[in-house]
Amino acid sequence: GAGVSQSPRYKVAKRGQDVALRCDPISGHVSLFWYQQALGQGPEFLTYFQNEAQLDKSGLPSDRFFAERPEGSVSTLKIQRTQQEDSAVYLCASSLDIASEQYFGPGTRLTVT
Amino acid sequence: AQSVTQLDSQVPVFEEAPVELRCNYSSSVSVYLFWYVQYPNQGLQLLLKYLSGSTLVESINGFEAEFNKSQTSFHLRKPSVHISDTAEYFCAVIMNSGYSTLTFGKGTMLLVSP
Repeated sequence: GAGVSQSPRYKVAKRGQDVALRCDPISGHVSLFWYQQALGQGPEFLTYFQNEAQLDKSGLPSDRFFAERPEGSVSTLKIQRTQQEDSAVYLCASSLDIASEQYFGPGTRLTVT
Repeated sequence: AQSVTQLDSQVPVFEEAPVELRCNYSSSVSVYLFWYVQYPNQGLQLLLKYLSGSTLVESINGFEAEFNKSQTSFHLRKPSVHISDTAEYFCAVIMNSGYSTLTFGKGTMLLVSP
């Protein structure tokens, strides 16, 4: 079956622009996670959804970052007024539930110029 | 809170040589441990995991890792590497009870050359 998909795969934004990154989780997966992976670093947790509820957003670096999952399936990570330090790969993962194995998408590489 | 240390950012080896990628963790509670692999232009894939039971866990492609509680380590080993093993390897931990999220190390790039 299909895995986790993310779009776009690459995004170049000028500083100050807003961007929206999409994640399509595996069908039926209740839990959805967003991670940020800066160059040369491991993924760092941003936020977690259980169905449509955002249960943990402690990793979001600023109030410019906003995530939603309105129908408990597709999720969007929005970054407003992008800054150069937002340049990173944004990874999405889904799992059957919080305790199960997380399946990762290929990521979206965001470059802010 | 937990943390993961991967001391080696890059490990170059020749094909068919043995390799060990080191991982140490810090946590005040018991954890589950994972190794993920990321091939170029692909997403993270789970390589192997330790949840409970035998401290030696194996993957289908010849990697193994041993959980050592006293040393707080979960080193990844393979007796003979292939060119196709070239990838970035991430060690990760999560608390084994209650709510927590995966904490990753910075990764180790395994470079296998002929």
